[in-house]
Amino acid sequence: RKEVEQDPGPFNVPEGATVAFNCTYSNSASQSFFWYRQDCRKEPKLLMSVYSSGNEDGRFTAQLNRASQYISLLIRDSKLSDSATYLCVVMGYSNSGYALNFGKGTSLLVTP
Amino acid sequence: DAGVIQSPRHEVTEMGQEVTLRCKPISGHDYLFWYRQTMMRGLELLIYFNNNVPIDDSGMPEDRFSAKMPNASFSTLKIQPSEPRDSAVYFCASSLTDSTDTQYFGPGTRLTVL
Repeated sequence: RKEVEQDPGPFNVPEGATVAFNCTYSNSASQSFFWYRQDCRKEPKLLMSVYSSGNEDGRFTAQLNRASQYISLLIRDSKLSDSATYLCVVMGYSNSGYALNFGKGTSLLVTP
Repeated sequence: DAGVIQSPRHEVTEMGQEVTLRCKPISGHDYLFWYRQTMMRGLELLIYFNNNVPIDDSGMPEDRFSAKMPNASFSTLKIQPSEPRDSAVYFCASSLTDSTDTQYFGPGTRLTVL
């Protein structure tokens, strides 16, 4: 079983729609959680960190559920420029040291 | 400020050849990471360094892969000999601290092994 699982999509939504992505992780000792955004043929860039209490940044809201080991990302009022792949990232320490696991990403296409 | 710099941006080589990928992290960042991204496996951590010292290389696929960081401003990832299954985008990233800090990725090197 992969450490971090995401629905690959693609999610095709119209402009202005609300869309939510989920991500599950297998290591209950994981400590830090992030969402990265990756545009086509570009490098990943941090979108936001995910805190236990949940956090919001403009149209984006991230939630963490440690009991169920999942993370979510909600995008409200989606824009054409939101079209990208969203990578769930889970970090923690393991026997081999620093363990960094990326999901394979969820593809979002926002259409006019 | 300059971000993470990688070279070359594209590399096409023939099976059996040696390939060297280069990375210059953001000045002052203590951590440097090498990743590989493919459609099949997504983004995988190969190795990371802290203050130029390799900390975890458990993600390095096999002995054909090696990575060095001779100083704080330069790292290399070498594949010798290269194979077609090594074709991927290789990213270098750096961060100021570790698990709670943002990782800044370079633009990547797109490697094609024929």
